[in-house]
Amino acid sequence: AQSVSQHNHHVILSEAASLELGCNYSYGGTVNLFWYVQYPGQHLQLLLKYFSGDPLVKGIKGFEAEFIKSKFSFNLRKPSVQWSDTAEYFCAVNGASSASKIIFGSGTRLSIRP
Amino acid sequence: GAVVSQHPSWVICKSGTSVKIECRSLDFQATTMFWYRQFPKQSLMLMATSNEGSKATYEQGVEKDKFLINHASLTLSTLTVTSAHPEDSSFYICSARETLTGTEAFFGQGTRLTVV
Repeated sequence: AQSVSQHNHHVILSEAASLELGCNYSYGGTVNLFWYVQYPGQHLQLLLKYFSGDPLVKGIKGFEAEFIKSKFSFNLRKPSVQWSDTAEYFCAVNGASSASKIIFGSGTRLSIRP
Repeated sequence: GAVVSQHPSWVICKSGTSVKIECRSLDFQATTMFWYRQFPKQSLMLMATSNEGSKATYEQGVEKDKFLINHASLTLSTLTVTSAHPEDSSFYICSARETLTGTEAFFGQGTRLTVV
């Protein structure tokens, strides 16, 4: 079955701390992987994406993620978080076909203490 | 990036009435669009896949007669919530992938539906 697991439901960090949010997926065939962010009261925004090539992808606002195929993982990282990173983070996966479904993880709420 | 526009952004309706939500891809063609529902502080749950010129594919547990989907053109899909009830109150989000490249999905800003 197709699924995305985000193990951390709520993460609380202090400013300048390092961040790593876990994401594991189950999806047959070639996959595209995404991390989206949803700031309070706003719609989804794409942080970064992986389609092919270098498994370490860099996104906006200093975020990066590493695709480890053998572990079916796509963890999100940021070396030093800021208060403005407080948001909900969603990992998502879909197949290569334009008609393939995009499956979202349950989300991780990140709270940053000033 | 490409733009997906949803209308309306929010709507309040009475129980028993129907509400139509539009999803448009503004600068690309999308053979396939997706409709999601997001409950407060929860993830996006895929409701259905909208296919241009054919019937939508609904996820398990989603009532096709209650959530009518029409994808009449390559740039427009509509979701109609029929005979709405308070439990249908939610945040509905559409997404579209470009027909030719089919890689990244773009999301609309969402529609907040409140049924009173």
